[in-house]
Amino acid sequence: GNSVTQMEGPVTLSEEAFLTINCTYTATGYPSLFWYVQYPGEGLQLLLKATKADDKGSNKGFEATYRKETTSFHLEKGSVQVSDSAVYFCAHHGGSQGNLIFGKGTKLSVKP
Amino acid sequence: DAGVIQSPRHEVTEMGQEVTLRCKPISGHDYLFWYRQTMMRGLELLIYFNNNVPIDDSGMPEDRFSAKMPNASFSTLKIQPSEPRDSAVYFCASSFSRLGGPSEQYFGPGTRLTVT
Repeated sequence: GNSVTQMEGPVTLSEEAFLTINCTYTATGYPSLFWYVQYPGEGLQLLLKATKADDKGSNKGFEATYRKETTSFHLEKGSVQVSDSAVYFCAHHGGSQGNLIFGKGTKLSVKP
Repeated sequence: DAGVIQSPRHEVTEMGQEVTLRCKPISGHDYLFWYRQTMMRGLELLIYFNNNVPIDDSGMPEDRFSAKMPNASFSTLKIQPSEPRDSAVYFCASSFSRLGGPSEQYFGPGTRLTVT
């Protein structure tokens, strides 16, 4: 069935460190893939997306590449900031339906 | 441009009371979703609508929960009677149909519900 698996947190990094949050998925066909971010006390916001294989989504210094061969969509950032502290969710569309399949979320804490 | 609007932002109620959460999706969006988020269970999809019609309500916990969408610009999630285990943050989200499939979802700020 459809699912999303992302690395469990929490992840704690120092400012300017390199970030990778792994995400793999199972799906029928080749769905669009998303990363959402949730800052404390707020709703989820779309961070980036990719709609087909080999697409790279990017925003605010974050990047993720749609890897069909490995069914992965890992999130990366070269130099994190304290303001990046949040929970990150990987997601894909559940087939032809309108709903999204979310991972459990990874909490990132960046220390100065 | 206004995003998804939810009200109230915070709700504190006593066990047994009826609770109604409200959502106004982004204008022009034809999908609407209700989620619940807790520390224990994470983010759960409760129900979603397409063109005001419920498509999948398999995530609704039990008969105490009901959702309606009387028109394209308004939806409610009702809990009657409420219980302490219903305490959570409830999110509404909307999206739109386009060639190739539905768009990404846009989330509201959430309603933090506390049932004492």
